Amino acid sequence: EVQLVQSGAEVKKPGESLKISCQGSGYSFTSHWIGWVRQMPGRGLEWMGIIYPRDSDTRYSPSFQGQVTISADKSISTAYLQWSSLKASDTAIYYCARPFGDRRLGLSYYYMDVWGQGTTVTVPS
Amino acid sequence: QSVLTQPPSVSGAPGQRVTISCTGSSSNIGAGYYVNWYQQFPGRAPKLLISENNNRPSGVPDRFSGSKSGTSASLDISGLQAEDEADYYCQSYDNSLTKSYVFGSGTKVTVL
Repeated sequence: EVQLVQSGAEVKKPGESLKISCQGSGYSFTSHWIGWVRQMPGRGLEWMGIIYPRDSDTRYSPSFQGQVTISADKSISTAYLQWSSLKASDTAIYYCARPFGDRRLGLSYYYMDVWGQGTTVTVPS
Repeated sequence: QSVLTQPPSVSGAPGQRVTISCTGSSSNIGAGYYVNWYQQFPGRAPKLLISENNNRPSGVPDRFSGSKSGTSASLDISGLQAEDEADYYCQSYDNSLTKSYVFGSGTKVTVL
């Protein structure tokens, strides 16, 4: 069974750093992209960025470029999302998801077929 | 402000048909990119409901169907059931400044 398992909930102070994780299993981790999605309290889904674990090719949504860092450790099939200095506005649930689709068409035509359970990050103001 | 626009809410009685619209533009849906749909229950992760405009993954009931025309797409739920009460999001790709996946604003389906 293809699964993405995320790290547990975090409560941090403004200005602190944080790295959350997403471990894939049941498939070839290095052969598929992994993405991150933010959902702020009571709000919709926002695409943050994506990484290809085999060569660490990383692409960010313009809204999140420079705000977060996406990385991966293919030796342990794990992708990461990290912040160097958290703000109260980073309070949200963060999901990892696997983009999947017809490789002949390319990444632009993919859909998110598997999702992690979500990691709640709380940064009290 | 989401790139893809959905109605905030739709409702229907059990057994009725409801339609959720997803309106985009020439840089996303209108450019030919697929539209995908996700279902999300409160406190749960989103789940893929419809892929590539109109494909149902294994296990998704056939009362859910998707379609696309021009710069818009729709999700139809025929024979609405109580367990369909959830949030629904469309998703596509945008090749303008963002050059990224984009989600709709989300629609809350209420079963009366």
